[in-house]
Amino acid sequence: GAVVSQHPSRVICKSGTSVKIECRSLDFQATTMFWYRQFPKKSLMLMATSNEGSKATYEQGVEKDKFLINHASLTLSTLTVTSAHPEDSSFYICSPGQGAGTDTQYFGPGTRLTVL
Amino acid sequence: GQNIDQPTEMTATEGAIVQINCTYQTSGFNGLFWYQQHAGEAPTFLSYNVLDGLEEKGRFSSFLSRSKGYSYLLLKELQMKDSASYLCAVRDSNYQLIWGAGTKLIIKP
Repeated sequence: GAVVSQHPSRVICKSGTSVKIECRSLDFQATTMFWYRQFPKKSLMLMATSNEGSKATYEQGVEKDKFLINHASLTLSTLTVTSAHPEDSSFYICSPGQGAGTDTQYFGPGTRLTVL
Repeated sequence: GQNIDQPTEMTATEGAIVQINCTYQTSGFNGLFWYQQHAGEAPTFLSYNVLDGLEEKGRFSSFLSRSKGYSYLLLKELQMKDSASYLCAVRDSNYQLIWGAGTKLIIKP
C-alpha cells in the first residue's frame, strides 16, 4: 500500500503561534491531498482538499486564512495552523488522493496538536 | 443530506464473532470502505466494497447491499488487539469520502 508520512507526530504550542504540518507521499505522486481533523471520540472531518499547483478547496466552516494549505509538489503538502488557539487542538490527518475508482484511501499517521 | 449511521459502541468476547452494521444515504455511490482506528492513531484500511456481496479477508469480512444502503463488517475469532474504533465511509458521486462517526468495539476476555 501507499506510504504516507507526517511530521511532526506531536506538537505542543502556545496560543497565538503558528504550526506547520508536513505530509509526504513517499512512493507515489499525489496530485490531490485531503486534510482531515478529528476531535476526541468524533469522526474524521474533511477540512480541505489541496491540488498540486493550485489553490486548495475548503469545506464549509473551515477558515482558509487560518488553515493555510500548500501543495507545491506531487509528494509534499503542508497545512499551517496560524495563530493557533486551544480550540484548534485536534488530531490532523492527511490522505493522498489516488484517483477515482481506486479501491482504497491511505492515511498519514496523523499529527496531534495541543495548543496551550 | 448525506448520512452514515453505525452503532456508537459494541462489546464482544475474545474468540467470538461480532458484526458491525453501517447504513448510508449519500448522493451517489462509488464504494464503501471500512477502516480500523486505534486510539491516537490514524485509520488503517480494512476493506472496500463496490459490488453487492461479501468480501472475505482473513478474519474480517465485509458485506454490501447497495439497494438497501447497508453494509456490515464481520470480525471472527476476536482478539484483544481488535479493540478499536471501526469507521464506515462511503465515496459519493464526487468521489469524496463521507464518514460515519465510528463504532467503538470493546473486547472482553
